Amino acid sequence: DGGITQSPKYLFRKEGQNVTLSCEQNLNHDAMYWYRQDPGQGLRLIYYSQIVNDFQKGDIAEGYSVSREKKESFPLTVTSAQKNPTAFYLCASTIGTTNTEAFFGQGTRLTVV
Amino acid sequence: GENVEQHPSTLSVQEGDSAVIKCTYSDSASNYFPWYKQELGKRPQLIIDIRSNVGEKKDQRIAVTLNKTAKHFSLHITETQPEDSAVYFCAASIPGGYNKLIFGAGTRLAVHP
Repeated sequence: DGGITQSPKYLFRKEGQNVTLSCEQNLNHDAMYWYRQDPGQGLRLIYYSQIVNDFQKGDIAEGYSVSREKKESFPLTVTSAQKNPTAFYLCASTIGTTNTEAFFGQGTRLTVV
Repeated sequence: GENVEQHPSTLSVQEGDSAVIKCTYSDSASNYFPWYKQELGKRPQLIIDIRSNVGEKKDQRIAVTLNKTAKHFSLHITETQPEDSAVYFCAASIPGGYNKLIFGAGTRLAVHP
């Protein structure tokens, strides 16, 4: 069953801790993206990657880090430097890098406790 | 940078009525405009998209119109049904590759039987 999978679905973090959100796709898509969704603010781009070992900052990259060691995987680390990490995080992938449909994962809801 | 504004933030209609959601964008070079539907607790999914060389596109009960001069595009849903209830996001692509999308804040549509 092809698709894009995020895990875990729910994640709780203590203040000062780093946490890593997983995103895996078996669609053979080149590009992958991380978005943050807050109520009333739509989706904001955190990081994106066109190919393996390459990634670019989005509009709200501060306090986040990513890696792209494999085509199928694009994990996001929320560091302690992110001052307001509680949010819903969505990973997406596209087959190309120009004007193509984005396929989203089910999302991870991160809560700082 | 690109900015996408979406209105209204909430929309309530009776089953069978039409619903219209409007978006404006700021970067005249944007050339791809998708619409995503996100049902409660689910991932966003593409429902229709339009490219800048087309003024209108239809798919059954859904249509999108684009006015490049005014830099706005709209989603039209006719004969609404309760299963149309969801949050709808418009987006505009940033030219220059990477399929970078800037999303509107979303419209919560409620269709009442």
